[in-house]
Amino acid sequence: AQTVTQSQPEMSVQEAETVTLSCTYDTSENNYYLFWYKQPPSRQMILVIRQEAYKQQNATENRFSVNFQKAAKSFSLKISDSQLGDTAMYFCAFMKHEAGNQFYFGTGTSLTVIP
Amino acid sequence: DTEVTQTPKHLVMGMTNKKSLKCEQHMGHRAMYWYKQKAKKPPELMFVYSYEKLSINESVPSRFSPECPNSSLLNLHLHALQPEDSALYLCASSQATGTEAFFGQGTRLTVV
Repeated sequence: AQTVTQSQPEMSVQEAETVTLSCTYDTSENNYYLFWYKQPPSRQMILVIRQEAYKQQNATENRFSVNFQKAAKSFSLKISDSQLGDTAMYFCAFMKHEAGNQFYFGTGTSLTVIP
Repeated sequence: DTEVTQTPKHLVMGMTNKKSLKCEQHMGHRAMYWYKQKAKKPPELMFVYSYEKLSINESVPSRFSPECPNSSLLNLHLHALQPEDSALYLCASSQATGTEAFFGQGTRLTVV
């Protein structure tokens, strides 16, 4: 079974600063995908960033980047130049590389950006 | 069109009522999902449809009945629910293999 752990239930960051959210996972699979999703108070889950396990290069998406350490099974999210609109619940998710995808979500980190 | 549309956005129902939640996507995705989410918790997978066939049923009580009439539509039929079934119900879709899921805005269900 796959497990995803987010050890930081709540975090806060000053506007324009940088914050890192941690995520670790446990799997025996070799091919898989990792995601960070954001869920603001509007409640829609929005994809932030995606990483394929076979790619060594860390994914980046504008102000968002990941530090993917496959051997350590770690997948942290760095948010640079934090903005008020980044305030949300952030979920790390794991998905096996097979049809009929099943996402395994972590417990989430509630991030507050302080003006 | 990169949207997953869920209706209704809010639903209040009694324990003897029958209601349905609807989900629609026009992205050509062949996998569709129902998730249940309680406040401040991650989404919990309920059902997965792959190519319009039920591929995963996470031991969900029979008072929840999914239906996939075609590749664009996913329904969740509700009957004789309990107050503890009150939650946000999220629909999502994805390509059949190895890509991210797109989520709808959810239906906030309250059972009274």
